[in-house]
Amino acid sequence: DAMVIQNPRYQVTQFGKPVTLSCSQTLNHNVMYWYQQKSSQAPKLLFHYYDKDFNNEADTPDNFQSRRPNTSFCFLDIRSPGLGDAAMYLCATSRESAGRIYEQYFGPGTRLTVT
Amino acid sequence: AQKVTQAQTEISVVEKEDVTLDCVYETRDTTYYLFWYKQPPSGELVFLIRRNSFDEQNEISGRYSWNFQKSTSSFNFTITASQVVDSAVYFCALRGGGSNYKLTFGKGTLLTVNP
Repeated sequence: DAMVIQNPRYQVTQFGKPVTLSCSQTLNHNVMYWYQQKSSQAPKLLFHYYDKDFNNEADTPDNFQSRRPNTSFCFLDIRSPGLGDAAMYLCATSRESAGRIYEQYFGPGTRLTVT
Repeated sequence: AQKVTQAQTEISVVEKEDVTLDCVYETRDTTYYLFWYKQPPSGELVFLIRRNSFDEQNEISGRYSWNFQKSTSSFNFTITASQVVDSAVYFCALRGGGSNYKLTFGKGTLLTVNP
């Protein structure tokens, strides 16, 4: 029944050790998003894929990368996590077409701890 | 630039009380979209409603109702007869028209419903 799935739900990594978070969807949506949400803050968009086209937000650090090998999966790679990257990472999807705007559906998030 | 203001940081009510969460937005787009999301303690953002700028009709869904007023740039959310399960952070979000997929979130309102 789950529509946007994120694994793992909790991830602990060491300072500077690369980590990958994964997201999959069963909605067949063409757009996938990655958000970072720190405690008591609103989600902040890092980047999104429209089909295979990658769109980076201007203020997203180079430390954050993403891959989308197919429609269903999207990965967030943090190359050298710092203590400031500890946060909840939310994946979202939406169905976009010319002239039509739809809501984004979010996964349960992965809470990243950096030690 | 787009902006969403949720002036109420925290609201605490007793079960069965009615509560209204305020949302004021700013945009230069003539076509835009407004959303409300609920984020319970589990962390997942749950979509509640989408409203298009050209549709000012208010909406009711069970105990939830939304009041969209373009004249005051507000999109307020009312929960009638609140329940403990309504306890969550509620985010109002704005998206412009066209191919800008970015959601601008307010800072959220933490609603606590006490038994």
